[in-house]
Amino acid sequence: QQQVKQSPQSLIVQKGGISIINCAYENTAFDYFPWYQQFPGKGPALLIAIRPDVSEKKEGRFTISFNKSAKQFSLHIMDSQPGDSATYFCAASKGGNDMRFGAGTRLTVKP
Amino acid sequence: GAGVSQSPRYKVAKRGQDVALRCDPISGHVSLFWYQQALGQGPEFLTYFQNEAQLDKSGLPSDRFFAERPEGSVSTLKIQRTQQEDSAVYLCASSSRGAMGTGELFFGEGSRLTVL
Repeated sequence: QQQVKQSPQSLIVQKGGISIINCAYENTAFDYFPWYQQFPGKGPALLIAIRPDVSEKKEGRFTISFNKSAKQFSLHIMDSQPGDSATYFCAASKGGNDMRFGAGTRLTVKP
Repeated sequence: GAGVSQSPRYKVAKRGQDVALRCDPISGHVSLFWYQQALGQGPEFLTYFQNEAQLDKSGLPSDRFFAERPEGSVSTLKIQRTQQEDSAVYLCASSSRGAMGTGELFFGEGSRLTVL
């Protein structure tokens, strides 16, 4: 039933490095692709989102790259910081009413 | 309130017991969602409300799971005759957008259910 596949499961990056997390989806009807950040004991919080009519969106150190033909999208975190250490989830939805999440990537940024 | 509030934060139930989990969404938010998050996994969709109407309950794993939102604000997720496989964090999220728009989901901190 997994409609959104995320990789890698875990990622260790040095401070200042680039973190890259990838997602692939099946349903071509999906029209909204957010990334959520979750800290232990907290609920997920929206980080950045993209719609399929653009190929890239940048907000500060966070960039989503979107490849509609390949049905893939990725999150890039530039100049990664220890405070970015968290679990990141990609998601996809059609109309926002049935958001499907990936399994998550546990990011550790080493000082 | 300022955010989505869920209670209880932690619940330990004996197998076979009934439990009720409460979600108080952000005031005025039209849409409300319940998700189940197993340890180390992403949230899995359970059900969706627009105001008081339950528009999608396709993710509810069995007929032991029941959700309601009678007045279009507070919602309760009820699990009857709990089983060990029901152990998970139950997340509630709300959104200001209705069915025709994609809005940001605001999540609560979750209710962690442990079934012994």
